[in-house]
Amino acid sequence: NAGVTQTPKFQVLKTGQSMTLQCAQDMNHNSMYWYRQDPGMGLRLIYYSASEGTTDKGEVPNGYNVSRLNKREFSLRLESAAPSQTSVYFCASSEIVTDTQYFGPGTRLTVL
Amino acid sequence: RKEVEQDPGPFNVPEGATVAFNCTYSNSASQSFFWYRQDCRKEPKLLMSVYSSGNEDGRFTAQLNRASQYISLLIRDSKLSDSATYLCVVNPRNQGGKLIFGQGTELSVKP
Repeated sequence: NAGVTQTPKFQVLKTGQSMTLQCAQDMNHNSMYWYRQDPGMGLRLIYYSASEGTTDKGEVPNGYNVSRLNKREFSLRLESAAPSQTSVYFCASSEIVTDTQYFGPGTRLTVL
Repeated sequence: RKEVEQDPGPFNVPEGATVAFNCTYSNSASQSFFWYRQDCRKEPKLLMSVYSSGNEDGRFTAQLNRASQYISLLIRDSKLSDSATYLCVVNPRNQGGKLIFGQGTELSVKP
């Protein structure tokens, strides 16, 4: 099993450009999450999906959209990137019984 | 007040030392508790869950005090490979399954 995979690993954008971060999990988990991590700020939840077909806002959703394409895939879209969105983005999935979250390797995004 | 607060770091200790991390949480309805480990520029990984009775995994011991809303992690006989950031994580249960992460405490184990 690959666990949680994310693409791309690194990305540089110019202000105003758009892009989609991809996430997939092969653990048959119902819930999936997108976080951003900035120095001194810890992990902050952007959006989450408790099950296929549902999505909800987290702590910092502004400037982002998500799509739960199917049970395996959960994508994060930046419609018009801003320098404030420079961060490391982690996708995670979890199993209901133990609440343990498993993280992907992250996408390091720089917006110039 | 932050929902999950941890000891400020960094902790710099010699190999073989015992080190303890503390964490407090504000939501008394919280049901699940975890310690995650994050290596530099890598993803967080589950270190151990924390149970009401306390639990041990090798050199690592986790304790939970519900009355004081306090969680601890004790690392005995520190190794160089223990150098990482340790995240205290709480599932408040009344927030749709979301986890709340502390900001983390950095540990550096020196030879």
